[in-house]
Amino acid sequence: AQSVAQPEDQVNVAEGNPLTVKCTYSVSGNPYLFWYVQYPNRGLQFLLKYITGDNLVKGSYGFEAEFNKSQTSFHLKKPSALVSDSALYFCAVRDFGSNYQLIWGAGTKLIIKP
Amino acid sequence: DSGVTQTPKHLITATGQRVTLRCSPRSGDLSVYWYQQSLDQGLQFLIQYYNGEERAKGNILERFSAQQFPDLHSELNLSSLELGDSALYFCASSVGDRGQVGANVLTFGAGSRLTVL
Repeated sequence: AQSVAQPEDQVNVAEGNPLTVKCTYSVSGNPYLFWYVQYPNRGLQFLLKYITGDNLVKGSYGFEAEFNKSQTSFHLKKPSALVSDSALYFCAVRDFGSNYQLIWGAGTKLIIKP
Repeated sequence: DSGVTQTPKHLITATGQRVTLRCSPRSGDLSVYWYQQSLDQGLQFLIQYYNGEERAKGNILERFSAQQFPDLHSELNLSSLELGDSALYFCASSVGDRGQVGANVLTFGAGSRLTVL
C-alpha cells in the first residue's frame, strides 16, 4: 500500500536558522510528491511538487525540497527561517491506484522562534 | 483569498440534524474535492467531482452525500449528524481531472467548521 510519513509532530527552529521538515514515502513505481502548508485558520496552500527531473525542487516563499530516491524521502527545506513560516506542513504522494488522489501525511507543526 | 469560496464558515448544530456545506471553485477549475480535517484522523479525502460528474470516492460515510451543479459549485450534505462528525470541512478545486498532474495541485478554501453538540 502506498503511504507517506512525517516522523516529527513538531519542529522548532530559531529565526534565521535553516529548517528541515521531513517526509518519507512508500509507493510502487515513480512517486509524484507534494508539499502543502496550512496557516492558522486557513486552508492548505500548495508549496511545490516533484514529478520528474531535477531532485531539488524550488517552490513558493523560498522553500525547496530534495527528492532522494534511495532513501525514499522528500524533505522540505529553507535556508533561513522566518517567524511567518510558522504553520502546519503536509507532505503528500499521489495514489496511483484507482482514484489518483493524494495520500497525506499527518502534518508537522513548524514553530519558528524569534 | 484563494478564489475558492466556502460557506458557512462556522456551523453549530445538534446530533441527528442535517446540514449543507457549499463551495464555489476557483474560476476556471472544473474539479471540486471535499476533505474532512479532524484532530484524530488528520486530513481525509471524501469525494471528487469533475465537471458535474463524480470521479472518485474516499472515506465518505453513507450519511454524507455531495453533488456538483452545472455552474460548477458543489454542496456537501451531512445527515444524521453525530458528535464525531465535528470537524473542519475543506473544499478544494483544480483545473484537471484525476490522473492529470494538475489535478493534484489543489486550491483550498478556508473551510467550514462544523460543531455537533
